[in-house]
Amino acid sequence: DTGVSQNPRHKITKRGQNVTFRCDPISEHNRLYWYRQTLGQGPEFLTYFQNEAQLEKSRLLSDRFSAERPKGSFSTLEIQRTEQGDSAMYLCASSLVGQGTGELFFGEGSRLTVL
Amino acid sequence: AQSVTQPDIHITVSEGASLELRCNYSYGATPYLFWYVQSPGQGLQLLLKYFSGDTLVQGIKGFEAEFKRSQSSFNLRKPSVHWSDAAEYFCAFCQGGSNYKLTFGKGTLLTVNP
Repeated sequence: DTGVSQNPRHKITKRGQNVTFRCDPISEHNRLYWYRQTLGQGPEFLTYFQNEAQLEKSRLLSDRFSAERPKGSFSTLEIQRTEQGDSAMYLCASSLVGQGTGELFFGEGSRLTVL
Repeated sequence: AQSVTQPDIHITVSEGASLELRCNYSYGATPYLFWYVQSPGQGLQLLLKYFSGDTLVQGIKGFEAEFKRSQSSFNLRKPSVHWSDAAEYFCAFCQGGSNYKLTFGKGTLLTVNP
């Protein structure tokens, strides 16, 4: 068990470019969450998956954002046509619902800077 | 609206002093409550959680928290702070059951003076 892994850890991009982040959850965890954290704020919920099904999306997740979790394993979060307001830390977390306590285990995050 | 409030943005304590970080929640029922710590460059680490039962919960690194339903509070405490405790602390809650979508407070930054 190597914990939740996120890549890349840092991404600097120019406005208008597309970026993709990857999250590898703890193996056998059936639930995966994406959060966004801006400076001086707590993490804000974006979306979550139960296995491969995306069950909920926050209003924060505009149509420029898309998340997938093919085969219920790793997940990707893509941001199209990035804007400066997208600059933030994107956090991934996983949990095991149904057998464990359901508590979330977080990765170290992917920091996005949009110039 | 469901929310978590951490009234203190920044707290400074001396090493060895006691610590209390405040957390208040707004929710119609008893939520599941959590405290996480975030050190620079690291992910959020769970310190402790309250689901039900004993209202005083023990966590890792010598932290404890007390759930007070009458005050809608879940304050975090430590009797003697170490320099390595300097970090940002987040209170969070979820509705429980099978819903573990967390709502976080804005965090309290802890500075520890030598």
